[in-house]
Amino acid sequence: KAGVTQTPRYLIKTRGQQVTLSCSPISGHRSVSWYQQTPGQGLQFLFEYFSETQRNKGNFPGRFSGRQFSNSRSEMNVSTLELGDSALYLCASRQDYEQYFGPGTRLTVT
Amino acid sequence: AQKVTQAQTEISVVEKEDVTLDCVYETRDTTYYLFWYKQPPSGELVFLIRRNSFDEQNEISGRYSWNFQKSTSSFNFTITASQVVDSAVYFCALSEPNRDDKIIFGKGTRLHILP
Repeated sequence: KAGVTQTPRYLIKTRGQQVTLSCSPISGHRSVSWYQQTPGQGLQFLFEYFSETQRNKGNFPGRFSGRQFSNSRSEMNVSTLELGDSALYLCASRQDYEQYFGPGTRLTVT
Repeated sequence: AQKVTQAQTEISVVEKEDVTLDCVYETRDTTYYLFWYKQPPSGELVFLIRRNSFDEQNEISGRYSWNFQKSTSSFNFTITASQVVDSAVYFCALSEPNRDDKIIFGKGTRLHILP
């Protein structure tokens, strides 16, 4: 079975721009969660989608949004990028209570 | 509120030594799940184990073992005869399926195994 894939792996953007990250879960998994990882804050939960519906949301501003498609693929979007948005963004695919992570997208905002 | 504390920010041990990573959790629920993940330098989080709150049996998998003690709200992870490849950041995590079911992570412990 293929694992969780995330694209792109690396991204450099400028303050004020917007960015879209993509995640393809493990085949058959309907839940996709997104996390932001920074050295200072650790791993912080952004949101979870299940069957195209947002099931859970973390404490992030409205600039962070996501969606899930009928094939379970998910995208997250960050608008009006700030320097503090520089982080590793991890996507996780979940079946029952086992969550499997992708390799992440490293976003650098300059 | 749910919370996971990994008090050890960074640990260094010499290869072949045993090392224990501590994890203390807080929850108001009687039903919950605990997890450990490994994050090697490549960045991808690797699932190691999941325990539910009703199963306090300790678990051993090769050189890895886990000690779950509800009385002290701890779920500690021991690596026996450590190897350089064990160098990574290790995260403990908690979820409450009857509440919001989010998986909340501790801050992680960076483990250095010195050759």
